[in-house]
Amino acid sequence: GAVVSQHPSRVICKSGTSVKIECRSLDFQATTMFWYRQFPKQSLMLMATSNEGSKATYEQGVEKDKFLINHASLTLSTLTVTSAHPEDSSFYICSARDIANEQYFGPGTRLTVT
Amino acid sequence: QKEVEQNSGPLSVPEGAIASLNCTYSDRGSQSFFWYRQYSGKSPELIMSIYSNGDKEDGRFTAQLNKASQYVSLLIRDSQPSDSATYLCAVLRISNDYKLSFGAGTTVTVRA
Repeated sequence: GAVVSQHPSRVICKSGTSVKIECRSLDFQATTMFWYRQFPKQSLMLMATSNEGSKATYEQGVEKDKFLINHASLTLSTLTVTSAHPEDSSFYICSARDIANEQYFGPGTRLTVT
Repeated sequence: QKEVEQNSGPLSVPEGAIASLNCTYSDRGSQSFFWYRQYSGKSPELIMSIYSNGDKEDGRFTAQLNKASQYVSLLIRDSQPSDSATYLCAVLRISNDYKLSFGAGTTVTVRA
């Protein structure tokens, strides 16, 4: 089956610093990847759609200057949380869409900002 | 009206029983339908996809789609404690730039 990896799985950073999260599709090419955030006991919230070779499309209410997305290749997308604050602490999950429009999720990155 | 609605549960079933999960969607133009399983603290895992009316079976899982009623369901036969998780219904629409719309999820607990 399709495999999506994410790195790191867990990160703790200090307030004001930036954190980069990588998302890779390991056995298929993904022209489109998605970034989600999930708070405890809540549903997934789509943050942005990442398209290879073009700018990301952000959902309403998501600050594009705070959450920088780069989709450098057909297998790699990165999310950088800039100037992180404690309220940015969350579970960040990427997904990649294959040619059949099936979407596979990475294992997620748990971010804690102190 | 929410795009995708699910019974929030929790749904508690004894081991070996059938767990029945329901999902309705609002957009008749929806094309593809998915069920994801999410264990606590983990990311969602795709377990079933269905594209046309009728039933689709994969092991102990059966997905059912009725586009006229805008309804999709998931049956889990011979439920096991390892099936205890939150099940997310997701719908794909061209009109939504092929983005998935998720239901809030149904939490299933299988009692040993």
